[in-house]
Amino acid sequence: DSGVTQTPKHLITATGQRVTLRCSPRSGDLSVYWYQQSLDQGLQFLIQYYNGEERAKGNILERFSAQQFPDLHSELNLSSLELGDSALYFCASSGGTGSYEQYFGPGTRLTVT
Amino acid sequence: GENVEQHPSTLSVQEGDSAVIKCTYSDSASNYFPWYKQELGKGPQLIIDIRSNVGEKKDQRIAVTLNKTAKHFSLHITETQPEDSAVYFCAAKAHYGQNFVFGPGTRLSVLP
Repeated sequence: DSGVTQTPKHLITATGQRVTLRCSPRSGDLSVYWYQQSLDQGLQFLIQYYNGEERAKGNILERFSAQQFPDLHSELNLSSLELGDSALYFCASSGGTGSYEQYFGPGTRLTVT
Repeated sequence: GENVEQHPSTLSVQEGDSAVIKCTYSDSASNYFPWYKQELGKGPQLIIDIRSNVGEKKDQRIAVTLNKTAKHFSLHITETQPEDSAVYFCAAKAHYGQNFVFGPGTRLSVLP
């Protein structure tokens, strides 16, 4: 168990809908990262937050957004969902500056029908 | 930006044999290289990592080697066991931030 929690475990929704994925980092970790894992694209970095502020952006679509709250949990919002958004979404957390290790949660499997 | 390649994509070994997975990266400024093991239905699990100021690191049956000049690093698993069967990912930390660029993965099967 990495100490990173994600909810829900599975999510099934229809095209055009909006969903919110939630992540709680390991105790004491300030950074949260979101990754998307699909069969054809592998593990792709989406976005990073550090202590409530956006730190880095990767291949994140404009339909997707995220935030990190004062208690350090993070939410990834996916809107106007398309079939191609079906994937596993992972969050990872790491400590402060100079701490490179990232610990992944169990993921949320999103299925868009 | 950084690009990470990984070979082979699949690897089958007999129990007790060694397994080697190789990765190359493109950005010479990358300075941290983790390896993750992902079992079916689970998130990636960090199994070993190496920083750019070190050439080799070992943890029991697992070792990682780094060749900065050639920009490649390898995972070595000795005395493989059936529970080593999983998908293994290498990654490189982009120098401009803390996010990782992952290789496409290697599916390792250890045959009893």
